[in-house]
This record gives sequence, C-alpha cells and structure tokens, in this order.
Amino acid sequence: AQKVTQAQTEISVVEKEDVTLDCVYETRDTTYYLFWYKQPPSGELVFLIRRNSFDEQNEISGRYSWNFQKSTSSFNFTITASQVVDSAVYFCALSFNDYKLSFGAGTTVTVRA
Amino acid sequence: DTEVTQTPKHLVMGMTNKKSLKCEQHMGHRAMYWYKQKAKKPPELMFVYSYEKLSINESVPSRFSPECPNSSLLNLHLHALQPEDSALYLCASSQDSQGAYNEQFFGPGTRLTVL
Repeated sequence: AQKVTQAQTEISVVEKEDVTLDCVYETRDTTYYLFWYKQPPSGELVFLIRRNSFDEQNEISGRYSWNFQKSTSSFNFTITASQVVDSAVYFCALSFNDYKLSFGAGTTVTVRA
Repeated sequence: DTEVTQTPKHLVMGMTNKKSLKCEQHMGHRAMYWYKQKAKKPPELMFVYSYEKLSINESVPSRFSPECPNSSLLNLHLHALQPEDSALYLCASSQDSQGAYNEQFFGPGTRLTVL
C-alpha cells in the first residue's frame, strides 16, 4: 500500500520567515515518483516539482528547496523568506509507474504581512 | 503552451438539469484526467483517458459521463446530480499515463454547485 502523510494541517508565519512542510511516504516499491503541488485560493493545482526514487539530490528553485531522504522516507519542502503570495494549500503526492497520484491531506500555509 | 483550460469557471445547476464541463490542452499530452475535490480535501481521481480511450473509471456513479472527442478535449457530462456532488472539478493532463512522463498539469477547475 502506498501512503503519504503531511502531519502539519496548518502553518501560519509572518512574511520573510522560512517555512518547512513535512512529507513522509510509505511504499515497498523501489521505483516511485514524488511530487509537490501548490493550490492557491483560486483553485488551480500548480505543479512544483517531481523527484524520482533514484535521484536523492536536493533541489533549489529560487526561494523553494526540497530535501529528499530515502532513509527516512521523507520529501520535505522549504520556502525561504516567505511572501504573502506563498499562501496556499500545498500537497505532497506519490506515484509509481502509472497514472495514480496518491495525495497527502495537504498543508495550509498562511503568510501574514 | 503549458496550459490546461476549463470552462465554465462556475456552474450552478438543479438536480434535474443536464450540463457539461469542458477541458482543453494543447501540450500534445496523451493522458487526461478528471478529479473531484471537496473543500479542505485532496483531489480524488474520477476518470483517466489514455490515447482517447477511457482506461480508468474509479467507480464513479453513472450520473457523471466522461467523453474524449479528440486528443485535446475532455468533457464531463452531468445529469441528475445530487447536492453532495457540489465540489471543485479539476481536469489534468500528462504526456502519458505511465512511466516517467506522468507528471500531471492541472486546469483551474470548475466550481460546481448543485441545488
């Protein structure tokens, strides 16, 4: 069975603070893909990153960074120097060699000015 | 063009109405998806089309009827819906439904209210 856990339901920060979103997954497969999506209040799910199970390199894209650790089955996401526009629900998701995305419950991030 | 478009943005319908949701992508993707999302929940997969053929139906009631007229278009026909069907309906596409090309790109969604 595959499962994604986002233990943090809501996070509230003041602008310019860093925020880290936790994602822990369960799988017995050796080949899998991990994703992060952002859903702002407008509703559209915005693709942020995909990572495959063979690539444990961390990644940085502007103010966003991701830390993938297979040893702890975690794929955490950090927003550095948060901005009001970062306010959204963030979903972590897992898939295998097929169509099905298993989403975590989501973490609502509120950035206050 | 990396966009998935959906119309309408909002839809209010009665339980006896027939309506359709439309989705379009011009990225040359061969897999398209319908999801349903209730408030404060993650999206739930409803249907998957692969190469214009329905490949997955996640036990969705027959009052929801998908259609893929061509590789760029996906419709969801609605008939005799119930108030509990009120939700955000999201369309997505990916280059393929399997393998390394399965990252899905989502449209803005249609907010459906059933009275």
